[in-house]
This record gives sequence, structure tokens and C-alpha cells, in this order.
Amino acid sequence: KQEVTQIPAALSVPEGENLVLNCSFTDSAIYNLQWFRQDPGKGLTSLLLIQSSQREQTSGRLNASLDKSSGRSTLYIAASQPGDSATYLCAVRRDTGRRALTFGSGTRLQVQP
Amino acid sequence: ETGVTQSPTHLIKTRGQQVTLRCSSQSGHNTVSWYQQALGQGPQFIFQYYREEENGRGNFPPRFSGLQFPNYSSELNVNALELDDSALYLCASSFRRDSYEQYFGPGTRLTVT
Repeated sequence: KQEVTQIPAALSVPEGENLVLNCSFTDSAIYNLQWFRQDPGKGLTSLLLIQSSQREQTSGRLNASLDKSSGRSTLYIAASQPGDSATYLCAVRRDTGRRALTFGSGTRLQVQP
Repeated sequence: ETGVTQSPTHLIKTRGQQVTLRCSSQSGHNTVSWYQQALGQGPQFIFQYYREEENGRGNFPPRFSGLQFPNYSSELNVNALELDDSALYLCASSFRRDSYEQYFGPGTRLTVT
């Protein structure tokens, strides 16, 4: 059974810092990995998707890396801003017909102005 | 704006009752997935519907059931509610069954007392 773990569970940083969020998964037979953002009381917004054959993806100040063999992914946020405050979730997808996602518990990020 | 809407926003039910949650998919999307997110946890996959047929199910008992209608709106029904069913219920729609782009709704917060 696939298990996804995210460390740390919560993080508070001053504005402008670069930071790294970690995600690990127990079964390396994944099809892809996705990072989401969740604001309080809101649904999930997809940030980055990395296929199993890729090593990283970048979007603006965000960079996500994937090391499938070691079961790890990181989300790097450059020059953090108060608007980045949210919960960040990583999820992995097996190669099944239903395309179901297995999520971690998330990292709650607070960026202090 | 993803276009995925859910109703109601909040709901309070008593243990043993039945509940129906609704999801309106983004226009043109024929696939919908439902997730349960307990407080402080990541979402857990309940099931997926593709063109009105169930297309995969997570580790949830049969008292969790669903429907997808010809206009691709969807319902999640839960019978014999238990206290542990208290959670945020998210639906996510996608253009195709094999699409990795899922658009999440804002969720329905269910409280069972």
C-alpha cells in the first residue's frame, strides 16, 4: 500500500526566505507526482506535475524535483511571500485506469510579512 | 476560476442519518472523482465516475455510493452516518478519464454529531 509522508507538518518563515518542502513515498512504482496548494476553506489548486520519467518541473518561483528511485520529491519556493501562506500537498498516482491520487497530509506554510 | 461547484458548503447531520452531496463539473468534463479529507489530513480517494459508470473505488465501505448524471453532474451519498465521516468532501472533474489535469471544487464540510 502506497504511503506518502510530508515533512515538516508546519513551517513558519519570514518573507523573502527560500524554502524547501519534502515529500516521500513508499512505493516507487508511480506514474507521476503532483504538488497542490490548498487555501483555508478552499479546494485544491494544482501547482506542478512531474512525470515519472522527469527529474524536475519549474513554474515561476516554484521548482519541484523527483527522485523516483529513492521515493522523494521536494518543492522549492524562492523568495517567499505572505501570499504563499497555505497548505501544500503532494500526491502520487499509480498507473491505473482510475488515475486516483494518494496524498500526503500536507505542510502548513506561514510566511510572516 | 475552475468552474467546479459543490453544494452545500456546510452540513450538520446526526449519526445514523443519510446525506447527499452534490458536485457540478466543469463544462465538458466527463470524469469526476470524490475525495474525503479529514481535519489535518490529505484527501483520500473514495471513487471515480466516468460517463455515468463507477470507474474505480478506494477503501471505503458500500454505504458510500455515488451517481453521475448525463450532464456530468454528480452526487455522493453516505448512509448510516458515523462520527468519523465528519470531513471535507471534495470532488474533482477532468476532461477525460486518463487526464491528469483534475479541477477541484471548494468542498462540502460535513459535521456528524
